[in-house]
Amino acid sequence: NAGVTQTPKFRILKIGQSMTLQCAQDMNHNYMYWYRQDPGMGLKLIYYSVGAGITDKGEVPNGYNVSRSTTEDFPLRLELAAPSQTSVYFCASSLTRGGAYEQYFGPGTRLTVT
Amino acid sequence: TQLLEQSPQFLSIQEGENLTVYCNSSSVFSSLQWYRQEPGEGPVLLVTVVTGGEVKKLKRLTFQFGDARKDSSLHITAAQPGDTGLYLCADAGGTSYGKLTFGQGTILTVHP
Repeated sequence: NAGVTQTPKFRILKIGQSMTLQCAQDMNHNYMYWYRQDPGMGLKLIYYSVGAGITDKGEVPNGYNVSRSTTEDFPLRLELAAPSQTSVYFCASSLTRGGAYEQYFGPGTRLTVT
Repeated sequence: TQLLEQSPQFLSIQEGENLTVYCNSSSVFSSLQWYRQEPGEGPVLLVTVVTGGEVKKLKRLTFQFGDARKDSSLHITAAQPGDTGLYLCADAGGTSYGKLTFGQGTILTVHP
């Protein structure tokens, strides 16, 4: 199993441009998440999904959009990129074990907006 | 809004030393998870603790959950350079679909 994969690994955007960060998992997990990590900070939840066709906002959703058409894929769309969106983005998926959720993270996408 | 505070923010030690890092919450944890993140990679789950007073061991790592479920500690015995990384605690949010609330992390550097 590849686990959770993310593309691209690095990207530089100009202000106002748009892009899609790709995320895929091959573990058949229903739950998927997008987080962002700023320097010296923990991760903050952007959006999450509990299954194909179902998504909801997290703590910091402004400026982002998601879709979940399949169990495997959970892309994150940035419209009109702003410098405040410079961050490292992590996708994760989870299963439940004994009532607790165990999350598996991808390697991240480092995005710079200039 | 729950706030998770981790201390210390930075820790630099020599190989073989022992260390403890802490995680405190402004409210009761639903359940608490500890992650380790190496540079350029995503966090990796180390442990989940659920019951107040619970102690779990993972080789040289000992995790303790406070009786009131508002604090936790991670103790590493005889640290090795391979333990270097960012240690994050997170509230696993109970039944909230596994959404995690993270602390800001402790950056540990173990020098050979």
